[in-house]
Amino acid sequence: NAGVTQTPKFRVLKTGQSMTLLCAQDMNHEYMYWYRQDPGMGLRLIHYSVGEGTTAKGEVPDGYNVSRLKKQNFLLGLESAAPSQTSVYFCASSLLAGAPYEQYFGPGTRLTVT
Amino acid sequence: AQSVAQPEDQVNVAEGNPLTVKCTYSVSGNPYLFWYVQYPNRGLQFLLKYITGDNLVKGSYGFEAEFNKSQTSFHLKKPSALVSDSALYFCAVRDIWSSNTGKLIFGQGTTLQVKP
Repeated sequence: NAGVTQTPKFRVLKTGQSMTLLCAQDMNHEYMYWYRQDPGMGLRLIHYSVGEGTTAKGEVPDGYNVSRLKKQNFLLGLESAAPSQTSVYFCASSLLAGAPYEQYFGPGTRLTVT
Repeated sequence: AQSVAQPEDQVNVAEGNPLTVKCTYSVSGNPYLFWYVQYPNRGLQFLLKYITGDNLVKGSYGFEAEFNKSQTSFHLKKPSALVSDSALYFCAVRDIWSSNTGKLIFGQGTTLQVKP
């Protein structure tokens, strides 16, 4: 049971390039989330999904797109990277949304945009 | 608006001493509160949660947290700190306006430094 995994672990992009971050979970969780972590700002929600085939915007969705074609995978795309998207990105999943279910986090992807 | 505040950017304690990492929240209704820990270059790990019931919640690695409704606080505590407890700690509250999504609102994080 690997839990939540993320690929890649590190990436450097040039402004304007595109990329996709992959999140996979093997816990049969319904809910999945993408966060970004910036110093002194905690974690901010980018997009989330409440089930296969569904996605919704979070707190800071601009510049990102997501897809959840399979229940176990949640992809985060950057169509045209900007330096402001330099951050550490975390994926999380949860069995269900209600209490008492906590979120389980992946190890993160450190992205630098130059 | 709902929010979580961790008033201290950093907490320093000596090994063996008790530690407290503070968290206050602002939500209407009954809050669902969580503590997570992040070790360097790692993802967040769940420590404990308060849903309902006993105000003192026990979690992983000897940590506990006390829910205080009148003070709207959920402070993380440990009776005897270890050097290995040094990490970044996040308090979070469930977004009650989006309860069907499970969204969490995170505090800014507090760095705990335990010195030998």
